Amino acid sequence: ETGVTQSPTHLIKTRGQQVTLRCSSQSGHNTVSWYQQALGQGPQFIFQYYREEENGRGNFPPRFSGLQFPNYSSELNVNALELDDSALYLCASSRGGLTTGELFFGEGSRLTVL
Amino acid sequence: GQQVMQIPQYQHVQEGEDFTRYCNSSTTLSNTQWYKQRPGGHPVFLIQLVKSGEVKKQKRLTFQFGEAKKNSSLHITATQTTDVGTYFCAGRSNYQLIWGAGTKLIIKP
Repeated sequence: ETGVTQSPTHLIKTRGQQVTLRCSSQSGHNTVSWYQQALGQGPQFIFQYYREEENGRGNFPPRFSGLQFPNYSSELNVNALELDDSALYLCASSRGGLTTGELFFGEGSRLTVL
Repeated sequence: GQQVMQIPQYQHVQEGEDFTRYCNSSTTLSNTQWYKQRPGGHPVFLIQLVKSGEVKKQKRLTFQFGEAKKNSSLHITATQTTDVGTYFCAGRSNYQLIWGAGTKLIIKP
């Protein structure tokens, strides 16, 4: 049990729709990072939020956006969904921003785009 | 771009055999982490290595960071069924954590 919760756990969308995924970080953690994990692949870094500001971004287009709230919970928004966006989306919380150590992952949100 | 390579993606071993997996980076890393993901689960942190040549042990697991801080290894002694899962290395470079594709450890029946 990592203390990181994600919602929803599963969802199905159609191409072109928009989706919002939510993450509550572990108590005391000020950093949240989001990852996309396709089946059989390693997690791909989307972006990271530290104290409500994005402070790192992977190779994902602008239609992937996010927010971090004052309580350090976070949202991942994906606009104009494409079939290739089908994946497990993982949220990880930690302390210390970009120099952070151990990541604590939630169970993930499995998105299927039809 | 920066890459962290883990090959092969699958390894079958007999229960009781040793298992070793290597992780290679195209760039020098500030640190490297190892995670384990069980089927249907999420990655769980195992260890972080920071110093050149560092070796850390956790019971039957031994982790090593290369002298050049470009590669690392995971060695499991006498594998057990509880070791089944996918092992990922993740290297930190330019403040970003870059993940390998993982190696799935499968115990032969």
